[in-house]
Amino acid sequence: RKEVEQDPGPFNVPEGATVAFNCTYSNSASQSFFWYRQDCRKEPKLLMSVYSSGNEDGRFTAQLNRASQYISLLIRDSKLSDSATYLCVVGSNDYKLSFGAGTTVTVRA
Amino acid sequence: GAGVSQTPSNKVTEKGKYVELRCDPISGHTALYWYRQSLGQGPEFLIYFQGTGAADDSGLPNDRFFAVRPEGSVSTLKIQRTERGDSAVYLCASSRDSTYGYTFGSGTRLTVV
Repeated sequence: RKEVEQDPGPFNVPEGATVAFNCTYSNSASQSFFWYRQDCRKEPKLLMSVYSSGNEDGRFTAQLNRASQYISLLIRDSKLSDSATYLCVVGSNDYKLSFGAGTTVTVRA
Repeated sequence: GAGVSQTPSNKVTEKGKYVELRCDPISGHTALYWYRQSLGQGPEFLIYFQGTGAADDSGLPNDRFFAVRPEGSVSTLKIQRTERGDSAVYLCASSRDSTYGYTFGSGTRLTVV
């Protein structure tokens, strides 16, 4: 079983729509949680950290459910520039990250 | 430059050959990481350096893979007797210390033919 599992999508949404997706993780001892964004043939870039209380960064909202071991990301008012692959990332010690395979989002005009 | 630099950006090699991939981290970053990303997958951890020493090499797939960081700055990932299954994007990242504030380089795309 993979440490981090994500629905690969793709999620195809019109501009202005809301899109949400989850990932699950297997290691209950995981300590830190993130969403990274990866554009085609580019390196991953940190989108946001995820905190137990939930957190927002502009149009992006992340939630963590430790009891069920899942993490969610919601994008409001989607822009064309939000089209990317979103990687769910979990850290179980103070340096090593485990990445999901990514969820592809395509925003259409 | 201000970012993590990886060279070459692309490398095509024949099966059985030896390759070296280079990573130049952000100046002052003591922690350096190598990850490998295969098509359609997320990056997978290979090795972590703190300073000059490999603090965790548990992700290296086998003894054909080796990495060094002799002066605590530039790192080289070395792959011997390359196989077609080694084809992937090799990503390097650095951080100021062993925290999660990673910055990734743009990667080296290795193709073994």
